[in-house]
Amino acid sequence: GESVGLHLPTLSVQEGDNSIINCAYSNSASDYFIWYKQESGKGPQFIIDIRSNMDKRQGQRVTVLLNKTVKHLSLQIAATQPGDSAVYFCAENINSGYALNFGKGTSLLVTP
Amino acid sequence: DADVTQTPRNRITKTGKRIMLECSQTKGHDRMYWYRQDPGLGLRLIYYSFDVKDINKGEISDGYSVSRQAQAKFSLSLESAIPNQTALYFCATSETGSSYNEQFFGPGTRLTVL
Repeated sequence: GESVGLHLPTLSVQEGDNSIINCAYSNSASDYFIWYKQESGKGPQFIIDIRSNMDKRQGQRVTVLLNKTVKHLSLQIAATQPGDSAVYFCAENINSGYALNFGKGTSLLVTP
Repeated sequence: DADVTQTPRNRITKTGKRIMLECSQTKGHDRMYWYRQDPGLGLRLIYYSFDVKDINKGEISDGYSVSRQAQAKFSLSLESAIPNQTALYFCATSETGSSYNEQFFGPGTRLTVL
């Protein structure tokens, strides 16, 4: 069953605003998390990852926050642009194992 | 990711037909994966392979088989396609030896079974 889930299936934001996409996980053995972006007609594309020994990691315009106490992960996108419109998936890796467990995805729509 | 390619990109077939989806990669990764994506659902793992001699079932392997012809090639077969196998199929790769399993995805194959 799904141990990785998303709070909101869709998110609409205005261009220039910041976006926050949330993800909950239930397995305390999860030790690695990835955020993927999937544009229409394309495969998932790596955005940013974080290991369980960290609580924050920053990339270009993106920040991932990990709260292991409540088993919550978030992706923050600064100054959201139309090109950020896509479906975003969080994925967890358990005990450095072989497989990624994916959430259902959040659709981000950026409006002008 | 252009380093992972899938053929065909789209396929329409009939119930009972045998179908093969192919995946090739130039990343030099030993690990390869096949996932299925259905609307409103995340990706689900069908099969994975850690090297040419290693094939393993994933979460939803029933009705599917795979072949790892070489390090760079991993094929997924539907021996007798059925309509509920209509989905988007993704191949992915990852690097051996990494404790953290970043996977790189191909562009996907959209399969429709009538």
